[in-house]
Amino acid sequence: AQSVTQLDSQVPVFEEAPVELRCNYSSSVSVYLFWYVQYPNQGLQLLLKYLSGSTLVKGINGFEAEFNKSQTSFHLRKPSVHISDTAEYFCAVSPTYNFNKFYFGSGTKLNVKP
Amino acid sequence: EAGVTQFPSHSVIEKGQTVTLRCDPISGHDNLYWYRRVMGKEIKFLLHFVKESKQDESGMPNNRFLAERTGGTYSTLKVQPAELEDSGVYFCASSEQANTEAFFGQGTRLTVV
Repeated sequence: AQSVTQLDSQVPVFEEAPVELRCNYSSSVSVYLFWYVQYPNQGLQLLLKYLSGSTLVKGINGFEAEFNKSQTSFHLRKPSVHISDTAEYFCAVSPTYNFNKFYFGSGTKLNVKP
Repeated sequence: EAGVTQFPSHSVIEKGQTVTLRCDPISGHDNLYWYRRVMGKEIKFLLHFVKESKQDESGMPNNRFLAERTGGTYSTLKVQPAELEDSGVYFCASSEQANTEAFFGQGTRLTVV
């Protein structure tokens, strides 16, 4: 079975400050890892994914995430956020034998303040 | 090229009524997925179509939910009769192949009162 925990339901941050959104997972099988973002009134958009190789993954809009196998974590980071980054962010895993069968975390709402 | 389109964007129905949600995948995408997010909790997998066939329906909550994909194009998800706990956002996604990126629609927000 797979499960994903996003420890923070809401993260307030000031514009141009760095941010880290935390994600931990558990799985009995090998998984791929993903971060999705949902902007207000929009669908889910893929930010980045880890399939294999380098554990530091760069995504769109300046976001990056680091896969840590020993800690079963996949935290999302951005060195300087913008107002436009205000959105809900979802961490997800999928079993390597079923690429698009996602197990999502409960989401983290990032609120960037001016 | 159009993305994944879902209709309606919002639906408010009374308990016991029937509602049908529709998803139009990206043209040429054989794989279609339904997910839902209930009460601000996790987004959960419902089922996966490959063309018109149900590949995996392990996430369907009960027999009040019926998904179809006649002709392998658009898909419908019918809830009959709707219960209060069915309220949430229903997402559809499609992918060209089972191991390529899935693209999500904007979702249908269903409210059962």
